[in-house]
Amino acid sequence: DGGITQSPKYLFRKEGQNVTLSCEQNLNHDAMYWYRQDPGQGLRLIYYSQIVNDFQKGDIAEGYSVSREKKESFPLTVTSAQKNPTAFYLCASSSDRIYGYTFGSGTRLTVV
Amino acid sequence: RKEVEQDPGPFNVPEGATVAFNCTYSNSASQSFFWYRQDCRKEPKLLMSVYSSGNEDGRFTAQLNRASQYISLLIRDSKLSDSATYLCVVNLASGGSYIPTFGRGTSLIVHP
Repeated sequence: DGGITQSPKYLFRKEGQNVTLSCEQNLNHDAMYWYRQDPGQGLRLIYYSQIVNDFQKGDIAEGYSVSREKKESFPLTVTSAQKNPTAFYLCASSSDRIYGYTFGSGTRLTVV
Repeated sequence: RKEVEQDPGPFNVPEGATVAFNCTYSNSASQSFFWYRQDCRKEPKLLMSVYSSGNEDGRFTAQLNRASQYISLLIRDSKLSDSATYLCVVNLASGGSYIPTFGRGTSLIVHP
């Protein structure tokens, strides 16, 4: 079955460490997105990519980095520069904006 | 003013009730509108797209009012299983692209 896989489901990180969240899709979607969700809050866009080898900053890109070397993969690195990284991270993809967005099951990152 | 706004609720209704949510957006050039459902600690899932002429899917009806820049979701004959957070999504026009932008969500609690 086609879908989006995010790993790991839970991640614990020490302060000062970089960590990379994986997002892989086999839906043949061109566009991919990373969102962050804090308790009681909506989704905020971190980065998005509409085509391989190209990506754009979203509303809260500071302290994050991404790459899009393959159509299927859009990993997100949370760097030590991100002041409050503890959150629920969601990856999404889309073939065309008129069809909506498919989400992975998310990664819960906790800084300890 | 936030770009996509929703009343956070919670809306607390008895089974069988009819409940309606609204969502306003700031950019009149926006295209493509959706309602998503998010259960606690899960990823959002597409509930329905919102078409200009309005559309219905069983007990759910979505409408778009471009002149007033809002979309709505009506749920008839509420079930206990409808309890969730409902997110509106608007593809906001931004620099030649359309960026999927989420509202903070409206919490619905259906009680016996």
